[in-house]
Amino acid sequence: DIQMTQSPSSLSASVGDRVTITCRASQSISIFLNWYQQKPGKAPHLLIYSASTLHTGVPSRFSGSGSGTDFTLTINGVQPEDFATYYCQQSASDPPRGTFGPGTKVDFK
Amino acid sequence: EVQLVESGGGLVQPGGSLRLSCAVSGFIVSNYDMSWVRQTLGKGLEWVSFIHTGGTPRYADSVKGRFTISRQNRKNTLYLEMASLRHEDAGVYYCARTRDSYTSDANRNNYYMDVWGKGTTLIVSS
Repeated sequence: DIQMTQSPSSLSASVGDRVTITCRASQSISIFLNWYQQKPGKAPHLLIYSASTLHTGVPSRFSGSGSGTDFTLTINGVQPEDFATYYCQQSASDPPRGTFGPGTKVDFK
Repeated sequence: EVQLVESGGGLVQPGGSLRLSCAVSGFIVSNYDMSWVRQTLGKGLEWVSFIHTGGTPRYADSVKGRFTISRQNRKNTLYLEMASLRHEDAGVYYCARTRDSYTSDANRNNYYMDVWGKGTTLIVSS
């Protein structure tokens, strides 16, 4: 099974900061990497798929990059509504073997 | 409006069974791939089951032989039948519409969940 790790596990930021979250796969997954945002008590919400394609309606301050084993989610100018937990998910394995990372919690400094 | 509404969660004893439902509105369930994803204290988010538009079901190793995914087109509803339940199955279960994006370099699809329900909670306890 492909294992996913994320760093950091948590971070504190102020409104307007640039935030970067890293996701690493245990083997190459090309660009089969998706990012989700989850707020407490809510379902996950798709942000980015195929490593860098912004899902419909997602603000342009979110961006994704990477391929192979190393990926990055960047929030340029974090807003109050962005304080949440972010998960990466690989889809190089056939469904439903695509695994999620453990999450990165972004909270208010 | 596209909406998924799960129901059927509750308290069940170890070894017991339960059926989860996901009522779909705003699109036809049989026209899309669909998934069940759970969130547990032990494993975090885990993709447990998938059904292709053609009807082919797939399962994670952790639930294979115990869980059955299906859909009823007349009711536009997705189901997850769960049997031989274990403590580690406890958590929040989400149904999700599943899309794919073809990548020519790898000549295969990237699958992602673009619409999620609010979830239903399963508790496994004696």
